[in-house]
Amino acid sequence: SQQGEEDPQALSIQEGENATMNCSYKTSINNLQWYRQNSGRGLVHLILIRSNEREKHSGRLRVTLDTSKKSSSLLITASRAADTASYFCATDAPGGANSKLTFGKGITLSVRP
Amino acid sequence: SQTIHQWPATLVQPVGSPLSLECTVEGTSNPNLYWYRQAAGRGLQLLFYSVGIGQISSEVPQNLSASRPQDRQFILSSKKLLLSDSGFYLCAWRQGDYNSPLHFGNGTRLTVT
Repeated sequence: SQQGEEDPQALSIQEGENATMNCSYKTSINNLQWYRQNSGRGLVHLILIRSNEREKHSGRLRVTLDTSKKSSSLLITASRAADTASYFCATDAPGGANSKLTFGKGITLSVRP
Repeated sequence: SQTIHQWPATLVQPVGSPLSLECTVEGTSNPNLYWYRQAAGRGLQLLFYSVGIGQISSEVPQNLSASRPQDRQFILSSKKLLLSDSGFYLCAWRQGDYNSPLHFGNGTRLTVT
C-alpha cells in the first residue's frame, strides 16, 4: 500500500517562481525522503529529513516535516526549466535493517521558460 | 564511488515468454537491494527486497521472482510473462542503515505483447 500521498498531482509554474509540493502520510516514520524523476529515467534522491527534524535545506530546496500532522512540504525556490520533472515523497517506516521506502504517486512539475 | 547498472534498458517480450532482468552494484558491499515497478502515471510499487545473499522478501504476490546469487547482483525473473507485467522496472540499493537514501538504476521499460 502507498503511504505517502503528494499534492497537487500536477503543478505548472513560470520560471523564477517558487514551487511548493506537499506530502501526507499515515503511520509513524523514521524519515521522509524526496526524489526526482526525469521522464524515462530512474529516481534521484534529493533530500532526507529525519523524524526529529523540522526543516532542512539543500541549495534551492527546502523541506519541512510536521510529524504531528504527518505531512511534509518541498519548496523549490527560483525554479528553472530544468526543474521540470516528477517529484516523489517516500516514507521510511520503522523496521531496522529491513525497513523499506514507500513511495507516493508523484507530482508532475512543469516549469515554463 | 558507487554505481548501479541495470539492463536491458528496453525489452519487448511476448506473453508466455520468460524474463530475466539483471542489476549489479559496484563500489559497496552488503547493500540492501530492491526491485520496484512503476506503472504509467503511478507511483512505485515495491516488489522484492534483499538484505543479503540468498535472502529475498516478496512484497506482493505475483508472477515474478527475484534472486540474489552474489552480494551485489540482483535478478528479477519470470517463467511466463503476462500482459499485466508490462511496466518500468527499477532496481535500487542502499546501505543497511535505514536513514540512508536509495540509489536507483536507470530502469528497464518492459512491454509484454
